Amino acid sequence: EDQVTQSPEALRLQEGESSSLNCSYTVSGLRGLFWYRQDPGKGPEFLFTLYSAGEEKEKERLKATLTKKESFLHITAPKPEDSATYLCAVRFSGGYNKLIFGAGTRLAVHP
Amino acid sequence: EAGVTQSPTHLIKTRGQQATLRCSPISGHTSVYWYQQALGLGLQFLLWYDEGEERNRGNFPPRFSGRQFPNYSSELNVNALELEDSALYLCASRLTRQETRYGYTFGSGTRLTVV
Repeated sequence: EDQVTQSPEALRLQEGESSSLNCSYTVSGLRGLFWYRQDPGKGPEFLFTLYSAGEEKEKERLKATLTKKESFLHITAPKPEDSATYLCAVRFSGGYNKLIFGAGTRLAVHP
Repeated sequence: EAGVTQSPTHLIKTRGQQATLRCSPISGHTSVYWYQQALGLGLQFLLWYDEGEERNRGNFPPRFSGRQFPNYSSELNVNALELEDSALYLCASRLTRQETRYGYTFGSGTRLTVV
């Protein structure tokens, strides 16, 4: 069965304390792995798309990496404004262009 | 450039009633996707419309339906509302056959509450 699993479910960090979020997937024919940020009561905000193993993307304090079965979202020296839920989604062959989402990781960064 | 807009922001309905949710995609985008996000759950795929046609639907009962208009805006209808239909309904758009490196752009959603 095609699925996406994110861990941990929740993460609490002190400001400046770097960490990583994990997204593992079991789909055939990956055609893109997406990271989104979602604030409470809002729609997901696009962060990155990764296509192939070894690919990396960076944006401010965030860096996303991809291997054959998982992706990591590294957060370096986080600030309180990085607090949000981070969602991972995949698009795959035979998936009719839909995205399958993981349940997300709720990140709280405290000053 | 205006983003994906959804209306209404909030909707309260009684069990058994019908709800209609609306989505306007980014100008030029022809594909519209609907997702349900129930409290504490991940986004679940509902429907995909492209060029006015329903292209795919998720594991939801037939009382969830919709359509896409010639201007590519879309409507989601939920009939015979049940309490468990309470959720945030999200619409996303993208330009068909656009490089997906730009992602799917989401609206802010409609919060549907069934009482």
